[in-house]
Amino acid sequence: GDSVTQTEGLVTVTEGLPVKLNCTYQTTYLTIAFFWYVQYLNEAPQVLLRSSTDNKRTEHQGFHATLHKSSSSFHLQKSSAQLSDSALYYCALSYTGYQNFYFGKGTSLTVIP
Amino acid sequence: DTTVKQNPRYKLARVGKPVNLICSQTMNHDTMYWYQKKPNQAPKLLLFYYDKILNREADTFEKFQSSRPNNSFCSLYIGSAGLEYSAMYLCASSRRTGGGYAEQFFGPGTRLTVL
Repeated sequence: GDSVTQTEGLVTVTEGLPVKLNCTYQTTYLTIAFFWYVQYLNEAPQVLLRSSTDNKRTEHQGFHATLHKSSSSFHLQKSSAQLSDSALYYCALSYTGYQNFYFGKGTSLTVIP
Repeated sequence: DTTVKQNPRYKLARVGKPVNLICSQTMNHDTMYWYQKKPNQAPKLLLFYYDKILNREADTFEKFQSSRPNNSFCSLYIGSAGLEYSAMYLCASSRRTGGGYAEQFFGPGTRLTVL
């Protein structure tokens, strides 16, 4: 069946260093869309990035991700982590034209001074 | 206003008692969802309303009910809470698109604890 995998449950990184959160997926659909959601403490999850185009880099708030259908991945990266980036990050798969989402378990990112 | 509101934010319930959670949005979205989130697990879709049509997941069909009296409001109802219902419940809404992807807007969640 369709699934999204986030391999790391917890990631700790030092401020100023790069960070990468992994997201891979399994699906038989061809027209897919991906989202990264970020949830800060006591707040609602909100969209950080979205993409449906293969091999196109998407950027927002210093984060970037590229959908690679060849490797079934949509990893989230940032070149220099900030303390304010500490949050829970979800990767989600959807199908264009449909409404259902498949979420990963989430990765809790902690940025330390 | 792109917010989805959920009430209450925290809910304490006794085993065997009913629970009713409320969600509202003012974005005129046609679809509203309910997810259950437990620690170290992915958010699990319980059901969603597209307009007035309710779609419930097969494995949670009998455990959760919902109503949508109007476009803005959607409730999640548990008839008899069990310990296994303790979780964060997330409400989301979206607008169906013709061929693009439908971004979901989430509320902050209601944390339900069943004792």
